[in-house]
Amino acid sequence: SYVLAQSPSVSVAPGKTASITCGGHNIGIRSVHWYQQKPGQAPVLVIYRDSDRPSGIPERFSGSNSGNTATLTITRVEAGDEADYYCQVWDNNSDHVVFGGGTKVTVL
Amino acid sequence: EVQLVESGGGVVQPGGSLRLSCSASGFTFDDYAMHWVRQGPGKGLDWVSLISGDGGDTYYADSVKGRFTISRDNSKNSLYVQMNSLTTEDTALYYCVKDREFLDDGFDIWGQGTMVTVSS
Repeated sequence: SYVLAQSPSVSVAPGKTASITCGGHNIGIRSVHWYQQKPGQAPVLVIYRDSDRPSGIPERFSGSNSGNTATLTITRVEAGDEADYYCQVWDNNSDHVVFGGGTKVTVL
Repeated sequence: EVQLVESGGGVVQPGGSLRLSCSASGFTFDDYAMHWVRQGPGKGLDWVSLISGDGGDTYYADSVKGRFTISRDNSKNSLYVQMNSLTTEDTALYYCVKDREFLDDGFDIWGQGTMVTVSS
């Protein structure tokens, strides 16, 4: 089955840029979606189809996808961005939804 | 307002059964595929099952196939999952989730979840 690999944690200073990666075999040919989950809350879609932002999501959030790595980038990081972030794809070989293990973003 | 509200969680013994429900409002329910996604205590997101908008197609994670059954009643704007032969590994917060527009388009609406605890 398809596997998505995320680093467990990323630390970033306020105002700086955080890059969260999601690795998978030929992930560049798939659509990748990203979710933000704050403690005690349901996940929120922040990027869909690699790089599109739902309404209400700040432009500071952006996404890219190529080769074996998809990346969620958060510029001008704020304290409120501290959360767990998950990548997700649809694996049409198995007809399964696949989530990455999640990356905890800590704002220093 | 687009909303999903889950119910039916609780404490059940290993080997037991539970039926979760999700009530949808604010959108044309039968236009969208729906999913169950779960999250164990302190763990990541784990996809459980998917049902198409008309209910004709269903898909399951390997870990629940043969034990869980997803269904929907479009006349009641409701989604369900029947969970049988529960094990401690099924202990999790279960979310009802809506596709953004179509399959493989991201999940734009999540309920607040209903907690299932499997324990003797």
